[in-house]
Order: sequence, then C-alpha cells, then structure tokens
Amino acid sequence: DTGVSQDPRHKITKRGQNVTFRCDPISEHNRLYWYRQTLGQGPEFLTYFQNEAQLEKSRLLSDRFSAERPKGSFSTLEIQRTEQGDSAMYLCASSQTLAGATDTQYFGPGTRLTVL
Amino acid sequence: GQSLEQPSEVTAVEGAIVQINCTYQTSGFYGLSWYQQHDGGAPTFLSYNALDGLEETGRFSSFLSRSDSYGYLLLQELQMKDSASYFCAVLSGYSTLTFGKGTMLLVSP
Repeated sequence: DTGVSQDPRHKITKRGQNVTFRCDPISEHNRLYWYRQTLGQGPEFLTYFQNEAQLEKSRLLSDRFSAERPKGSFSTLEIQRTEQGDSAMYLCASSQTLAGATDTQYFGPGTRLTVL
Repeated sequence: GQSLEQPSEVTAVEGAIVQINCTYQTSGFYGLSWYQQHDGGAPTFLSYNALDGLEETGRFSSFLSRSDSYGYLLLQELQMKDSASYFCAVLSGYSTLTFGKGTMLLVSP
C-alpha cells in the first residue's frame, strides 16, 4: 500500500518561469486536494477534485495557477510566470468518499518550490 | 471568514501529559481534525471529532465542544518522537479543511 507521492520533491526556478508539479494519490482514492504551506503556517487550501472534476477553488488562487486531473488518477499543478511570493511547500492530499462517513485526507511529502 | 487559534509553542518532558487547545470561528462546521507534522515531513492525520466528547486513539485523545467552538488534543506518556508541530483543522465545507497556524511541541528528556 503506497501513500500519496509527489514529484519533484524540490524545485528551484527563476522568477517568470513556469513550473509543473505532479501528485499521485492513493490508488483507490477519488478525491484529490492541493494545499500550499509557508513557513510557520498551516496548509492553505488551493483546490480539490472529485475524480476528474475540479469542484472547488480557493478565492486566493491566482489565475497563474491551474490544476488538472485528466483521468481521475494523478494530478498536475502548474504555476505560470512564477513570483517570489509563490515560494512555498505545495502539498497534495487524497481521500476516499464513503457513504455516511467523513473522508480523511492523507498528505503527500510535498514539493518545495523556491523562486529566485 | 475562518479563524483558528492555537498556542504557538508548548514544551514538556518525556512521560508527561500535554494538552493543545484550539478555538475556532468558522462559517459552517462539520468537524475538527488534528494533524501532526514533523519538520520537513507531510502532515499526518491523528483524529477527527464531529460530535461533542472525547475520542481516544492510543496515547492521543481529542475532545470537541461544538457549543464552545473549542477542542483540544491530549498527548499522554510523551516520547521524544512526539516533538513536532500539531495542527487543528476545521472541516467547514463539503471537503475543505481550514488549518490553524500550528503548535510546536518540544519534548525534552
């Protein structure tokens, strides 16, 4: 049983470049979430998918951010024209919806982005 | 809006008991979760309370009072490996977790 995996684990880029991160959820999980975490803060919700449908996006999510989950399995998060303020840990989580139960979110190790 | 308050840091010694409190103000509430995060690691799920009362899982227990918008995480028989950050998180939307800023627990010998 493998957990949530994310790739790459670390990314250093220059301001203005585009970056893409990948998340592979736990195999039977139908929900996938993206969060951002900065130093000294808790994870901040960005967006989530149920299967391939993107059901919610944070109002804080800039238009430079886009996420996809084309086949309802892995997901990608792209940041265009990166800014220094985008430097953070990007966390992915997944969960399985069960009728009558609250789904627990399981987190991956994250991708640490540094924008120079 | 959503806001969660928890202490920024708590210190304790091995073998002791520590309680980390969390108060919240949210528009919509389904339940309160607790996560543990070691430095550089992923948040790990500890517990979830949807109803008032105490939930016990091994050395960890979590309590919720919906009327007081308050919960706590109780850690017993502290071990050095329990040194980590602990986050309370409110499930306020259908699937959206809102996290507090976290409490850093330092366990000393």
